[in-house]
Amino acid sequence: SAVISQKPSRDICQRGTSLTIQCQVDSQVTMMFWYRQQPGQSLTLIATANQGSEATYESGFVIDKFPISRPNLTFSTLTVSNMSPEDSSIYLCSVAGIIYNEQFFGPGTRLTVL
Amino acid sequence: EDQVTQSPEALRLQEGESSSLNCSYTVSGLRGLFWYRQDPGKGPEFLFTLYSAGEEKEKERLKATLTKKESFLHITAPKPEDSATYLCAVPNGGGGADGLTFGKGTHLIIQP
Repeated sequence: SAVISQKPSRDICQRGTSLTIQCQVDSQVTMMFWYRQQPGQSLTLIATANQGSEATYESGFVIDKFPISRPNLTFSTLTVSNMSPEDSSIYLCSVAGIIYNEQFFGPGTRLTVL
Repeated sequence: EDQVTQSPEALRLQEGESSSLNCSYTVSGLRGLFWYRQDPGKGPEFLFTLYSAGEEKEKERLKATLTKKESFLHITAPKPEDSATYLCAVPNGGGGADGLTFGKGTHLIIQP
C-alpha cells in the first residue's frame, strides 16, 4: 500500500481565514480523494481529484468553499476557505489501491476553527 | 441512495470474549464491501475487501464475512489492543474508482 503524508497534522485557525492542506503520496496514483470527519462522526466524501482534470464534488460541497488542486500524480491540496467553527473537523486524503476501489488513507489534518 | 448501517454503535467486551459487529448495506450492485480500523487521532487502516456473498477473509483475530444484505466482523478472543472504531464502507455508484460511503462505525473497547 502507498505511504501517505499530510501537512499540517493539526491547526487552529480564526474564522474567516483559509487553510490549505497538503497530501503527498510516495508513488504515482490516478485517483485521490478528500474526506471530512466531523467530531464523533464517520467519514464523508468531499471530492474526487484526478490529475489533469477538475475535481468532482459530492452533494453539499462546492468548489468555492473547498478548492482542490492536483498538479501531479503524487500530490494534492485541499483548501478550506472562509472558515467557520462548523468547519472544525479532521480532513483526510486517500488514494485508490491497485485492487479496484480499495482505498488507503493518510493520517488526517485536525482543524479547529475559533 | 446507497446506505450503510453499523451496529452496535459501541461494544465493551472482556479480554477473550468473542463477538461480532454488523454492517448492513443497501446498494444497487455491490462492487465491494470494505472494513477499516480507526484508532483515535489516526486515519482509517484498511483491513478487508469482500466482493461476493459467501466470501470470508481472516486476519489474526478478525474474520469478515459477507451475505447479500450484510457483513459481519467476527472478533475471536480479543485483546486490549483490538480496541478501536471499526468502519465498513461501500463504493459510491458510477463506475471507475469511486469514493466510499461509510457507516458510522462501531466503537469497540476490550477490557483487560
